Amino acid sequence: AQSVAQPEDQVNVAEGNPLTVKCTYSVSGNPYLFWYVQYPNRGLQFLLKYITGDNLVKGSYGFEAEFNKSQTSFHLKKPSALVSDSALYFCAVSSDYGQNFVFGPGTRLSVLP
Amino acid sequence: DAGITQSPRHKVTETGTPVTLRCHQTENHRYMYWYRQDPGHGLRLIHYSYGVKDTDKGEVSDGYSVSRSKTEDFLLTLESATSSQTSVYFCAISEWGGETQYFGPGTRLLVL
Repeated sequence: AQSVAQPEDQVNVAEGNPLTVKCTYSVSGNPYLFWYVQYPNRGLQFLLKYITGDNLVKGSYGFEAEFNKSQTSFHLKKPSALVSDSALYFCAVSSDYGQNFVFGPGTRLSVLP
Repeated sequence: DAGITQSPRHKVTETGTPVTLRCHQTENHRYMYWYRQDPGHGLRLIHYSYGVKDTDKGEVSDGYSVSRSKTEDFLLTLESATSSQTSVYFCAISEWGGETQYFGPGTRLLVL
């Protein structure tokens, strides 16, 4: 069965510092990995995805994520955090078996001025 | 929100009454999904559809039914609402199962 873990409920980072939001997964077949962001009282917004190819994926708003097959991880990163990045972040996985998404529990990111 | 609307956006109802939530898309995507989001539980899949009249259950389908008579519309019905169904409901669409899902703005449902 597919599963996604986001080991940190909350991540705090100072504005201007690099940020990392962690995600590990378990899936049958080749993984398709996604990151979404949710601002208060809004739906989830797609940030980026890994299907195949370069392990470093770049997405919206300056975010990037690195796929690491041996560690089954897909951590979200940004070189310099903004206060406006404060939100709830979800990692999700599906696979080339065409299985539905499984979402992680979410990580709340707080960027402090 | 990728051409996805949900109606109503907010609803207050009483226990035991039927409730129908509507998701409408203008993207002509084949797959449509209903999720609920609750504190401490993240997003949980209720039902999904892989084509007109083709639907299947998700992990929390008890107490919910769905219908899809047109590509663009996916309805979620609570036959007899209970307080445990108080939640925020999100619709999502994708071109095929496993590909990027795009989410609607959500419906906040309160069952008294």
